This record gives sequence, structure tokens and C-alpha cells, in this order.
Amino acid sequence: EVQLVESGGGLVQPGGSLRLSCAASRFMFSSYWMHWVRQAPGKGLVWVSRINSDGSGTTYADSVKGRFTISRDNTKNTLYLQMNSLKAEDTAIYYCVREDGDSRIWFDPWGQGTLVTVSS
Amino acid sequence: DIQMTQSPSSLSASVGDRVTITCRASQSISNSLNWYQQKPGKAPELLIYGASNLQTGVPSRFSGSGSGTDFTLTIISLQPDDFATYYCQQSYNTLQLTFGGGTKVEIK
Repeated sequence: EVQLVESGGGLVQPGGSLRLSCAASRFMFSSYWMHWVRQAPGKGLVWVSRINSDGSGTTYADSVKGRFTISRDNTKNTLYLQMNSLKAEDTAIYYCVREDGDSRIWFDPWGQGTLVTVSS
Repeated sequence: DIQMTQSPSSLSASVGDRVTITCRASQSISNSLNWYQQKPGKAPELLIYGASNLQTGVPSRFSGSGSGTDFTLTIISLQPDDFATYYCQQSYNTLQLTFGGGTKVEIK
């Protein structure tokens, strides 16, 4: 079964940095585009960022542009999200998701998520 | 950005009821619309992709329809396992993917 396992979440002060990781297994990681999606406590889902299969192309939500960097290491089957200048409103569960489909895309599967709390 | 509006935001229903959730896009998105189910404390799971295609393993009591700006998720004969929150998502604008606000289906 395809698996995505996030790690790296925790408590960080406003203005601080954190790097999330997502370990992928049981599929050809290097062939898939990958995303991060977040969910603030008790709120809905918000797309954060996307990276193409070889890591040469990235896209970000306006709310994180310039502060977050998505990257990947296909030799380690791992996706990353470097988060800098963190704000209280970045507090959320962060999910790693695989993009599937061709002309139309969808997210499947999702990791279990890692909680990031930005607070002093 | 394409805005996705779901209605209702919550509903109460009984086991065996037929449930309909709607999702409206702020502009035409063809059939680039997906539905996800999220149970409390769990990650979302894909239910329907491309507006009407059932993901493998999803029970046939779930169905999706629509195109353009208006979409519907229908659950015929609601089961205890179906009480959850449902989200629509547009994938027409792949540079800014957006979700609806969610619909929480609760037990009456």
C-alpha cells in the first residue's frame, strides 16, 4: 500500500523556522508531483504548495509565498517543506499528498499529517 | 483564484437517508472537481475525482455529478460510517488549487 509519513512538526515561536519531511514508500516517488495541504484547528483544507516530479518547478499559495520552500530528494523518496518567518496563522496540521491524474488531477493518498504550532 | 462554495455547511441526517451536498465554483471549471471525506482526527480520503468517477474501494452509495460551476455529491441510504466532513476541490486552476469550506454530516 502506498504510504506517506510526515514528520518535523512541533511548537515554534513566531518568526521562527521549521522543516517538515514526508517519507514516501511503495510507489515510484520520482514519477509523481507532490503537494502540501494544511488545516488549521477546526477549520477547512487549504492548499499550500506543489512541486513537479524532478523538483525543477514549484508553486505556492499567496499566503506562504516568499516564506515557505518546497523541495524533494528523489534519491531518498522524501518531500520537504521549509517554513520560515512563521506566523500564528500558520498553525495547522500539514499534510503531504500525492498528485494523481493527468489532464485532471486529484490528491491520493494523504499522509497522516504533522502538527505545527506557532506560539510564544 | 477560483472560489468554491459548499452548501450546506452542516446537516443532520438519519441512517438510511438520502443526502445531497452541493459545491459551486466562482467560474467554470469543466469537470475538474474532486470530493474528499474526512473523519474526526483522520486525514482526508479521496471519494470522487473528475466530478463523477468513484475512487476504487468507495461504496457505490456515493455518487457525484455536475460540470461547469455546479456540482453535487449524493449519498443514497446514509450509513453510520458516512458521518464525516466532506470537501470539494477544484483542480482546473492547477497553479492555485482551492477547496470548499466543507460540509459536516452529523447524526440526527
